[in-house]
Amino acid sequence: GAVVSQHPSWVICKSGTSVKIECRSLDFQATTMFWYRQFPKQSLMLMATSNEGSKATYEQGVEKDKFLINHASLTLSTLTVTSAHPEDSSFYICSAPQGGSNQPQHFGDGTRLSIL
Amino acid sequence: GEDVEQSLFLSVREGDSSVINCTYTDSSSTYLYWYKQEPGAGLQLLTYIFSNMDMKQDQRLTVLLNKKDKHLSLRIADTQTGDSAIYFCAGSGGYNKLIFGAGTRLAVHP
Repeated sequence: GAVVSQHPSWVICKSGTSVKIECRSLDFQATTMFWYRQFPKQSLMLMATSNEGSKATYEQGVEKDKFLINHASLTLSTLTVTSAHPEDSSFYICSAPQGGSNQPQHFGDGTRLSIL
Repeated sequence: GEDVEQSLFLSVREGDSSVINCTYTDSSSTYLYWYKQEPGAGLQLLTYIFSNMDMKQDQRLTVLLNKKDKHLSLRIADTQTGDSAIYFCAGSGGYNKLIFGAGTRLAVHP
């Protein structure tokens, strides 16, 4: 069964809206979670590393004010796309390593974000 | 940093074996992974291999690792239509970061 739950699975909203995506680890604690973005027919690009109790670490070129990450507890990380515009439309996927450092990562089912 | 490359497309007949290849640049990856993605879905961890191993077999899946050539392969025996998907290999870029290849689209035909 799924070990990482992501919600919602699909969002359609108007330009200018802020959208929050949740990533939960099920039955295990994750001090670190990862957020990826995937464009159609392309690979996954790491956006940021979410750290429980501290600030997220963003990859080069990712706007931290645009993509707000909050790792509120050991089982929940949220990604908020602020003032979303059509170019933010994408497939967003989170992951968490089960069992600690250098353990295989499990992925959520992804959130398809469509901005009109 | 880590760079991962893989062929983009593979077509096989049902029942045949599929071999998906991947090359990577960073030999310090502790683990190397294979993930499967079906349309509109997230990534499913298929298998992974520890960097000091040469081979790992798990039912129909066989992973081969050639550290000298920095080459990783995934063999799927008796390929079925349900195996049609995109397969990503990934290396560890440090601190649990995964660096993905572009993905190989596997098409299985009767």
